[in-house]
Amino acid sequence: AQTVTQSQPEMSVQEAETVTLSCTYDTSESDYYLFWYKQPPSRQMILVIRQEAYKQQNATENRFSVNFQKAAKSFSLKISDSQLGDAAMYFCAAQNRDDKIIFGKGTRLHILP
Amino acid sequence: EPEVTQTPSHQVTQMGQEVILRCVPISNHLYFYWYRQILGQKVEFLVSFYNNEISEKSEIFDDQFSVERPDGSNFTLKIRSTKLEDSAMYFCASRDRRNTEAFFGQGTRLTVV
Repeated sequence: AQTVTQSQPEMSVQEAETVTLSCTYDTSESDYYLFWYKQPPSRQMILVIRQEAYKQQNATENRFSVNFQKAAKSFSLKISDSQLGDAAMYFCAAQNRDDKIIFGKGTRLHILP
Repeated sequence: EPEVTQTPSHQVTQMGQEVILRCVPISNHLYFYWYRQILGQKVEFLVSFYNNEISEKSEIFDDQFSVERPDGSNFTLKIRSTKLEDSAMYFCASRDRRNTEAFFGQGTRLTVV
């Protein structure tokens, strides 16, 4: 079975600085997908970035990028130039192809002005 | 941009009452999911639905829960006799065959009193 582990319950970063959120996962499949979701106080789930396991290149979306280490089963999220609007709960998630998404426990990110 | 729509956004119900949470997935999507998030906890998989039947369900999804796609557009989650511990945010998600990314609705906050 898939598992997703986020070892940082909370993190803080100064506005305009860079922060990295950690995530490790475990799967026996070779074809899978990894995601980072943002959950603001409204509690809506917003997809931040996705990575297909077969792609070696790390995904990037504007200020958000990932460091995907397939052998180590690590999938960290880097947020550059942090903004106040980035404050939220961030969930790492994994999905085997054609299967359900499994979420980590989340990391609450605080942005310090 | 197409989106998954959930209604109501917030429902308060008496313990023991039946509730129906409604979702309108993105049209032409084929796979449907319900997830639950108890306040402050991780997002948990409840059930997946494909081709008019349940494809997988979790231990949480006991006999009190049922899902239905009554008219080809709505996807509902019914809780027959609500308990206090059913209070949570419930998310519906859908995806199509080609693109594995699941799109989440904005959630329904269920409060059982």
